[in-house]
Amino acid sequence: AQRVTQPEKLLSVFKGAPVELKCNYSYSGSPELFWYVQYSRQRLQLLLRHISRESIKGFTADLNKGETSFHLKKPFAQEEDSAMYYCALRKGGSEKLVFGKGTKLTVNP
Amino acid sequence: KAGVTQTPRYLIKTRGQQVTLSCSPISGHRSVSWYQQTPGQGLQFLFEYFSETQRNKGNFPGRFSGRQFSNSRSEMNVSTLELGDSALYLCASSDTGLLQYFGPGTRLTVT
Repeated sequence: AQRVTQPEKLLSVFKGAPVELKCNYSYSGSPELFWYVQYSRQRLQLLLRHISRESIKGFTADLNKGETSFHLKKPFAQEEDSAMYYCALRKGGSEKLVFGKGTKLTVNP
Repeated sequence: KAGVTQTPRYLIKTRGQQVTLSCSPISGHRSVSWYQQTPGQGLQFLFEYFSETQRNKGNFPGRFSGRQFSNSRSEMNVSTLELGDSALYLCASSDTGLLQYFGPGTRLTVT
């Protein structure tokens, strides 16, 4: 069975500090991993996908198959980064996304 | 292109009633998925439709059903509503294998 775990429900950092949101997954095949973000009163939107290996809004995420992790990192957090972040997994051949429970990030001034 | 739209945005129903929610995908997208979002369970997959066929179904009771029309618009129906069905229902569309785009959701409150 596929499972995504985000161990931190809440994460609070100060502006300018580094931030890391953890995501671990369990899946026997080769999954696609995503990070979605939901800002206050906005719809869920894609932030990153592991295949593209790009940096969006200063965020990066590396897929570590050995540790089955896909942690999201940003070296210098900004107040506008405050939001709910969801890690998600998709197995090949399906549109179904399996989400973690989410981490609420608060960046304090 | 216009984004995914969902109607209605808010709905209040009474236990035992049924409800139908609608989703219009992005033009050209043939795949529509539905998710239930609650504070306790987070985002849970309900079902996925592609070209009017259900391809995947999550672990929800049979009271939850859906369908997709030839124009890719999709509806989901919940019969015999229970208090626990109160949630934000999200629809996502994609052009198979590519990125999923989410709608704003329908907030269902069951009293």
